Amino acid sequence: GESVGLHLPTLSVQEGDNSIINCAYSNSASDYFIWYKQESGKGPQFIIDIRSNMDKRQGQRVTVLLNKTVKHLSLQIAATQPGDSAVYFCAENMGNQKVTFGIGTKLQVIP
Amino acid sequence: DAGVIQSPRHEVTEMGQEVTLRCKPISGHDYLFWYRQTMMRGLELLIYFNNNVPIDDSGMPEDRFSAKMPNASFSTLKIQPSEPRDSAVYFCASGGRKNQPQHFGDGTRLSIL
Repeated sequence: GESVGLHLPTLSVQEGDNSIINCAYSNSASDYFIWYKQESGKGPQFIIDIRSNMDKRQGQRVTVLLNKTVKHLSLQIAATQPGDSAVYFCAENMGNQKVTFGIGTKLQVIP
Repeated sequence: DAGVIQSPRHEVTEMGQEVTLRCKPISGHDYLFWYRQTMMRGLELLIYFNNNVPIDDSGMPEDRFSAKMPNASFSTLKIQPSEPRDSAVYFCASGGRKNQPQHFGDGTRLSIL
């Protein structure tokens, strides 16, 4: 029979445009948040992180925004490239080393 | 520096057989994590160690699963006996201090026939 799996949200973006991937987290006590990128056949790769005492952090072509009021996290990728195509996970750390991952968002870059 | 190294990359075996997955964490990292990733359940934490001591094994599915970390540079995840529903990609990750990102290996793709 047909297998049922997680239905990953998919974001399709034209090459060169900016991408915004959103994530809702669950625990208001979480104090550390991480974005990971996972390409096919590979493990999740760290992109950028942010601590709860900040609301914005920038890296190279990526920006993470944190809104603690509504428990929302976003990842912005500037000038999206074909190599950015992957599944992106947000993760929250609840005060110890135990990290909880979201289900992921699949980013498809259209050349 | 080498990242987290997992072996084997792929394993295909028949149900009932013992399976052993191996992991070498990044040198100097005090934390080691075992995860399982499936289409049905996403990425799940199975167990994690701090300084070679198991801290939280609440994610281990059942007694058929066991994990050890005999020293700071090596860990194993064992399934005995294996079942088809154990088929998944198993990741090992290591991390330094609290509030630092974990670094993942490229996983072991396990298929139990």
